[in-house]
Amino acid sequence: KAGVTQTPRYLIKTRGQQVTLSCSPISGHRSVSWYQQTPGQGLQFLFEYFSETQRNKGNFPGRFSGRQFSNSRSEMNVSTLELGDSALYLCASSLEAGLDYEQYFGPGTRLTVT
Amino acid sequence: SQQGEEDPQALSIQEGENATMNCSYKTSINNLQWYRQNSGRGLVHLILIRSNEREKHSGRLRVTLDTSKKSSSLLITASRAADTASYFCATDGNYGQNFVFGPGTRLSVLP
Repeated sequence: KAGVTQTPRYLIKTRGQQVTLSCSPISGHRSVSWYQQTPGQGLQFLFEYFSETQRNKGNFPGRFSGRQFSNSRSEMNVSTLELGDSALYLCASSLEAGLDYEQYFGPGTRLTVT
Repeated sequence: SQQGEEDPQALSIQEGENATMNCSYKTSINNLQWYRQNSGRGLVHLILIRSNEREKHSGRLRVTLDTSKKSSSLLITASRAADTASYFCATDGNYGQNFVFGPGTRLSVLP
């Protein structure tokens, strides 16, 4: 099976702009979670989607949003970018929702905000 | 401290030696997972151990869980240079809402 894919892999944006990141889960996986990874804060949970519904959301401002499509593909959007949004954004898919399943991570999108 | 916190922060060993890293957490959990992250393969799941299990093995990896002490350990035996990576524990301790990752242990295996 193909792994989790994320596009784009690298992105450079300017403060104030918005960005959309895409994630395609492993075939058959219905849950998609997003994480932000920075050297200072480590891996932080953004949100989880299952059956096109957001199940959980981490402690991030409303500028961070996401959605999931009927084929389980997911996108996350960050509006009004700030310098502090520079990070590696990781998407993970799992068979079902909940925390009893291992997560398969994509390679990430490296976002740089200048 | 965070829900899952690895110790030590960094570890440097010679190839062939064993590496042990620990994870402590604060609230009760249903399961705990270990992940590895290196530049080549990204973040990869290693082992899931449930709260009613005390020990699990996978190849050269051995994970223990002590719920009374709220801690877990990951032992890598006969380490190889390819084991050089950061190792994270993840718990479902946020009232089961989402995974919480610790800051990780950076393991360097020297040839």
